[in-house]
Amino acid sequence: GQSLEQPSEVTAVEGAIVQINCTYQTSGFYGLSWYQQHDGGAPTFLSYNALDGLEETGRFSSFLSRSDSYGYLLLQELQMKDSASYFCAVYSQAGTALIFGKGTTLSVSS
Amino acid sequence: DTGVSQDPRHKITKRGQNVTFRCDPISEHNRLYWYRQTLGQGPEFLTYFQNEAQLEKSRLLSDRFSAERPKGSFSTLEIQRTEQGDSAMYLCASSLGEVNNEQFFGPGTRLTVL
Repeated sequence: GQSLEQPSEVTAVEGAIVQINCTYQTSGFYGLSWYQQHDGGAPTFLSYNALDGLEETGRFSSFLSRSDSYGYLLLQELQMKDSASYFCAVYSQAGTALIFGKGTTLSVSS
Repeated sequence: DTGVSQDPRHKITKRGQNVTFRCDPISEHNRLYWYRQTLGQGPEFLTYFQNEAQLEKSRLLSDRFSAERPKGSFSTLEIQRTEQGDSAMYLCASSLGEVNNEQFFGPGTRLTVL
């Protein structure tokens, strides 16, 4: 089956850089996704890595190492609005449903 | 607004009652998913539709749960004989047909079973 591990909480100050790690175990790997969820809001897509390496989208970057079953989300120039939960996710064996980690709560302070 | 919509946004019910939730996906999306999320946890997959066909169901989906997508557009999720453990946020998501496309989530229906 699929399982993911990520830290439960991370704290940082505005302007800092934060890295949220994710390790996964999966039978059948399609790629690693990252979603952001603000309190009371819906999860929203941030990034997807199917191949090894770094993908950059503005202040956010995501990295994948398939050989290590490991990825991370890098958030730069942190802003207060980045305070949210961040979930890594892999696809089910059928390649359809997302299997989410328990999430990392990021708190950004001024 | 052309995003995923869900109705109702909140539902309070008594144990043993039946409840039904509706999800309207983004119109051109043929894939539709239901997830459940409890406090402090990530969303947990319940079931998946491609067009009107229900192709995948989680072991979490007990026989008290049933989902339909009759014309390949909107979907309903019904929970019969609700239990307190069913209290959660029920999220619907949709995506285009390609494998591994971004899933777009609706705002969810928060169910409270008293």
